[in-house]
Amino acid sequence: DIQMTQSPASLSASLGETVTIQCRASEDIYSGLAWYQQKPGKSPQLLIYGASSLQDGVPSRFSGSGSGTQYSLKISSMQTEDEGVYFCQQGLKYPYTFGAGTKLELK
Amino acid sequence: EVKLQQSGDELVRPGASVKMSCKASGYTFTDYAMHWVKQSPGQGLEWIGTIIPLIDTTSYNQKFKGKATLTADKSSNTAYMELSRLTSEDSAVYYCAREVYYGLPWFAYWGQGTLVTVSS
Repeated sequence: DIQMTQSPASLSASLGETVTIQCRASEDIYSGLAWYQQKPGKSPQLLIYGASSLQDGVPSRFSGSGSGTQYSLKISSMQTEDEGVYFCQQGLKYPYTFGAGTKLELK
Repeated sequence: EVKLQQSGDELVRPGASVKMSCKASGYTFTDYAMHWVKQSPGQGLEWIGTIIPLIDTTSYNQKFKGKATLTADKSSNTAYMELSRLTSEDSAVYYCAREVYYGLPWFAYWGQGTLVTVSS
């Protein structure tokens, strides 16, 4: 199975700060990566797919980049509503696998 | 509007089975695969498997083979997942999720989740 390693496990950011979350795959996943946000008690929400495509309705302050085994999610200006847990997911091969998550809090 | 409505929370005894449902609306049920994802308490996400309702074809995470059985009823636009021989390790929230576009492995639509608690 492809292992997905996220870093950091948690971080806190101030309003307006730029936030970057990393995801590393155990093998080349050829941009087959998505990012999700999950808030307490809610289902995950798709933010980015195909490594860099913004899902409809997601604010433009979210962006994704990367290739090969290294990917990142950037929030250009932290907002209150961005608090939550962020997961990466590879969709190249079965079984699809997720990172362990990054908890983002407002400082 | 695409909606996935899951069945209610379940409290089940160890060794028993449970079958949960995911009723789809707002799109043509047979045009998309349905996926199932497990989230253990305070843990991350695990992909269980998928079913293509049009042809009743399933693919499973090897870890869940023998544990989960996926089915779909085209007449009622409902996907089902049955979990068998339950243990405390199966206590989790289970989500159904639909692809963003046909054939793309990104989950844009999620059910609200079904909490399964395994306890005697």
